Amino acid sequence: AQKVTQAQTEISVVEKEDVTLDCVYETRDTTYYLFWYKQPPSGELVFLIRRNSFDEQNEISGRYSWNFQKSTSSFNFTITASQVVDSAVYFCALSEAIGNAGGTSYGKLTFGQGTILTVHP
Amino acid sequence: DAGITQSPRHKVTETGTPVTLRCHQTENHRYMYWYRQDPGHGLRLIHYSYGVKDTDKGEVSDGYSVSRSKTEDFLLTLESATSSQTSVYFCAIMSRGSTDTQYFGPGTRLTVL
Repeated sequence: AQKVTQAQTEISVVEKEDVTLDCVYETRDTTYYLFWYKQPPSGELVFLIRRNSFDEQNEISGRYSWNFQKSTSSFNFTITASQVVDSAVYFCALSEAIGNAGGTSYGKLTFGQGTILTVHP
Repeated sequence: DAGITQSPRHKVTETGTPVTLRCHQTENHRYMYWYRQDPGHGLRLIHYSYGVKDTDKGEVSDGYSVSRSKTEDFLLTLESATSSQTSVYFCAIMSRGSTDTQYFGPGTRLTVL
């Protein structure tokens, strides 16, 4: 069974601080995808990034960066120079690749519990 | 914008009544999903669909049923609502191709009194 753990329930920082959100996952699949979603106070779920299990390159998008390490089964998310608008709940998620398990995998997502990030002015 | 709408957006109902939530998509996606969000649990999969009339159970399917009679609509039914089904319900579609990414609807907040 797949499992995603976000050990940090809540994080509070002051604007301009850097913050890292941790994500550890478990899976027996060799092909899988990792995701981060953002849920701002308005409630919608916003897709941030998808990572293929074969691609361990780190990724940077503006102030956001992601560190994927298969050796430690981690997919951590760092926000550099945090801003008040970054305040949200962040979810890490894991899915099987469609076609895994003899074609019976349907890309179902397993989510972590979420990390509430509060950025104070 | 993945063209996903959910209705109703908010609903208050009483224990024992049937409730149907609708997810509608406009982009002909094959795969659709229903999740519920509860504090401390993140989102959990209720049911999913991999085509018209093709559905299966997820992690927390007890008390729920689904139907998909046409590509664009995926219905979630609570046959007899209970207070434990008070939650926020999200529908998602899978965008295939190079991304295989799920995009979510705006959510439905359901309160069962």
